[in-house]
Amino acid sequence: DGGITQSPKYLFRKEGQNVTLSCEQNLNHDAMYWYRQDPGQGLRLIYYSQIVNDFQKGDIAEGYSVSREKKESFPLTVTSAQKNPTAFYLCASSSGQADQPQHFGDGTRLSIL
Amino acid sequence: EDQVTQSPEALRLQEGESSSLNCSYTVSGLRGLFWYRQDPGKGPEFLFTLYSAGEEKEKERLKATLTKKESFLHITAPKPEDSATYLCAVRYTGANSKLTFGKGITLSVRP
Repeated sequence: DGGITQSPKYLFRKEGQNVTLSCEQNLNHDAMYWYRQDPGQGLRLIYYSQIVNDFQKGDIAEGYSVSREKKESFPLTVTSAQKNPTAFYLCASSSGQADQPQHFGDGTRLSIL
Repeated sequence: EDQVTQSPEALRLQEGESSSLNCSYTVSGLRGLFWYRQDPGKGPEFLFTLYSAGEEKEKERLKATLTKKESFLHITAPKPEDSATYLCAVRYTGANSKLTFGKGITLSVRP
């Protein structure tokens, strides 16, 4: 089945530690996205990539980093510079065409130890 | 600033009691309005895309409509399994493929 796989489902971070969230898609989509979801707030865009080896900052990129070395993969690193990392992180992909929807994975919940 | 506002924040219905969820937007140059359903602990599931005022889409008990300033998601004779958070997102001209999301409406349907 085609889809988006995020791992792990739950992740715990210690103070001063960087952690990496995985996102893989087999939909042959060009564009991929990372969102953060907090209770009572809408999805906020962290980073997005329209094509391999290129990515742009979203609305809340500070404290996060990404890479896009392969079309299928778009990992997100939450660095120690992100002071409030506890949230539900969602990865999405789309064909990149403006009239096409984004499709989402089932998220990673990150908590601080 | 382009904004998307959903109302009400939460809605409780009795099974079979029809109602509507609202999504209003202030973006100019709408390229598409998207409705998603999100279950607890899961990612959003795509429901509909609407592109122009007057357009309507239907799927089972759900019907989405669009005007120049807002969209409605009508739920006819809801069942408990329709309980979820419904998200609205807008793509506007010049945003590439980026979406602006509302905060969502949490729907609870009692049997």
